[in-house]
Amino acid sequence: KFTLTQPHSVSESPGKTVTISCTRSGGNIANNYVQWYQQRPGSSPTTVIYEDDQRPSGVPDRFSGSIDSSSNSASLTISGLKAEDEADYYCQSHDTSWVFGGGTRVTVL
Amino acid sequence: EVQLVESGGNLVQPGGSLRLSCVASGVTLSRYWMHWVRQAPGKGLVWVSRINSDGSSKIYADSVKGRFSISRDNAKNTMYLQMNSLRAEDTAIYYCSGGYKYYYMDVWGKGTTVTVSS
Repeated sequence: KFTLTQPHSVSESPGKTVTISCTRSGGNIANNYVQWYQQRPGSSPTTVIYEDDQRPSGVPDRFSGSIDSSSNSASLTISGLKAEDEADYYCQSHDTSWVFGGGTRVTVL
Repeated sequence: EVQLVESGGNLVQPGGSLRLSCVASGVTLSRYWMHWVRQAPGKGLVWVSRINSDGSSKIYADSVKGRFSISRDNAKNTMYLQMNSLRAEDTAIYYCSGGYKYYYMDVWGKGTTVTVSS
């Protein structure tokens, strides 16, 4: 079994860039795809990144994902931050079970 | 447009049972791997269970193993979660989700609320 650890919260001004980390403990981050989900208050989650760095249609290219094997972590970067990006973001991966990170609250100042 | 709609959530006493349903539209459910994911009040997402496209393989989180049972009826485009021996810590919004790939959740429902309390 493994865990995914995210920062509790990040905040930044509109137009700036934020990066959310997701560190895997137990197993190699590169062995299983990482996904990122956005959950706005009162809504169900939606996918913003799948298969480490792929964006579903309709997700702006301001959202990007990456993997860093040296730190055994994944990252979600949101550039050109907008008020509508204010939400909780969860990373997710799997091996014999499916695991979510604890979630990161993104606040747009 | 693919839609998943959950139902069956309710207030139930500890030790009680509930059956949740998830009906799909806009997609042939038999092509989807399906999951149940829950979210306790003010907390994060927690994976509960997964069933493969034909229902032959089922996996559960340790916290629900032996108490919950996932199933599907592809002819009815519906997935189920039978929840027995419910505990207060099972209180949560339960989301059904699924996709063509087993490793992630492409589409999510709006959730159904389960409250376990005396």
